[in-house]
Amino acid sequence: DGGITQSPKYLFRKEGQNVTLSCEQNLNHDAMYWYRQDPGQGLRLIYYSQIVNDFQKGDIAEGYSVSREKKESFPLTVTSAQKNPTAFYLCASSINRANEQFFGPGTRLTVL
Amino acid sequence: AQSVTQLDSHVSVSEGTPVLLRCNYSSSYSPSLFWYVQHPNKGLQLLLKYTSAATLVKGINGFEAEFKKSETSFHLTKPSAHMSDAAEYFCVVSEGNYQLIWGAGTKLIIKP
Repeated sequence: DGGITQSPKYLFRKEGQNVTLSCEQNLNHDAMYWYRQDPGQGLRLIYYSQIVNDFQKGDIAEGYSVSREKKESFPLTVTSAQKNPTAFYLCASSINRANEQFFGPGTRLTVL
Repeated sequence: AQSVTQLDSHVSVSEGTPVLLRCNYSSSYSPSLFWYVQHPNKGLQLLLKYTSAATLVKGINGFEAEFKKSETSFHLTKPSAHMSDAAEYFCVVSEGNYQLIWGAGTKLIIKP
């Protein structure tokens, strides 16, 4: 079964802690993306990667970091520098430019 | 510069009546256009996409959208609403640079 998995589904973090969200795809897609969604808002792009070992900042990259060591995996680290990290985080992938993106089920992060 | 405007933040219809969700876009080139659906606390699912072929695009679950270049619109319609259609819908535009531009979303409410 091809698709995108994200883990965990729910994540709780204390202030000042870094936390890493997992995203794995078995669709053989080159491009992967991380979005943040806040209540009542559309999606905002955090980071994207077009190929392994390469990634670019999106619109709201401050306080986040990523890596792309394998084609299948694109983990997102929410650092303590992110001032308001409580949100729903969505990972996506696409086969190439201009094609539609496929989404994982999301991770809801809550900072206590 | 690309932009997307979803003209209604909420749309409420009775079950069995037609659905119209409005989307206007601006784009310098020939865009690709998408509609995604998001059920509560879930990831996003692609409903349909337009990529410069037929201007009337049919999607899943009985939805369709018409690309009107003269009006720069890509409205989503369904002849008869079902309770399971209650969700948030996002209109998206892409000019093929790996970045999708997201509308703010329209919440569809179905009254029994």
